[in-house]
Amino acid sequence: QKEVEQNSGPLSVPEGAIASLNCTYSDRVSQSFFWYRQYSGKSPELIMSIYSNGDKEDGRFTAQLNKASQYVSLLIRDSQPSDSATYLCAVIPDYKLSFGAGTTVTVRA
Amino acid sequence: DTGVSQDPRHKITKRGQNVTFRCDPISEHNRLYWYRQTLGQGPEFLTYFQNEAQLEKSRLLSDRFSAERPKGSFSTLEIQRTEQGDSAMYLCASSFLAGGAFFGQGTRLTVV
Repeated sequence: QKEVEQNSGPLSVPEGAIASLNCTYSDRVSQSFFWYRQYSGKSPELIMSIYSNGDKEDGRFTAQLNKASQYVSLLIRDSQPSDSATYLCAVIPDYKLSFGAGTTVTVRA
Repeated sequence: DTGVSQDPRHKITKRGQNVTFRCDPISEHNRLYWYRQTLGQGPEFLTYFQNEAQLEKSRLLSDRFSAERPKGSFSTLEIQRTEQGDSAMYLCASSFLAGGAFFGQGTRLTVV
């Protein structure tokens, strides 16, 4: 079983809609959770960190964490064409930072 | 610029040659990670350091790969006897303990 799994893409949403990205992790003791955005040909960029159960909002982004279900999600509200990218979920299960395979999001104008 | 810096940005080498990459982390960060990424995949963990100690190395990593972080500052990743399968983007990231990690721009390796 992979340490971090993300919902398969690609995900296509119309401009102005909500994009919903999901991620599950296998190690119950994980304490730190992150979402990264990666544009084609570029390196990953940290966009959200979440450490406790519940929701965390930052601008148009909301991260949701449920440790009991070992589940973390990212909502992108009012999606813009500039949000078109691959979104990577990352977890620290022991001491290293482990990534999922990513979900590619395309926002249709 | 106080971000993570990687050098070189691009490297083309012939199969069988050795290559070395350098990473300069954000100065106050004590963790440094190396990843490899190929098209359509997430970053694959290679190794990481806390200060100067190398705490974990991927089981998938062959003995041709070695990394150092002398004095807990910059780090180098060396690949010996390169193979075509080593062609990838090599990413370095740094963090303070278990906080979010920040990536450098990467080194794209092409083995011909």
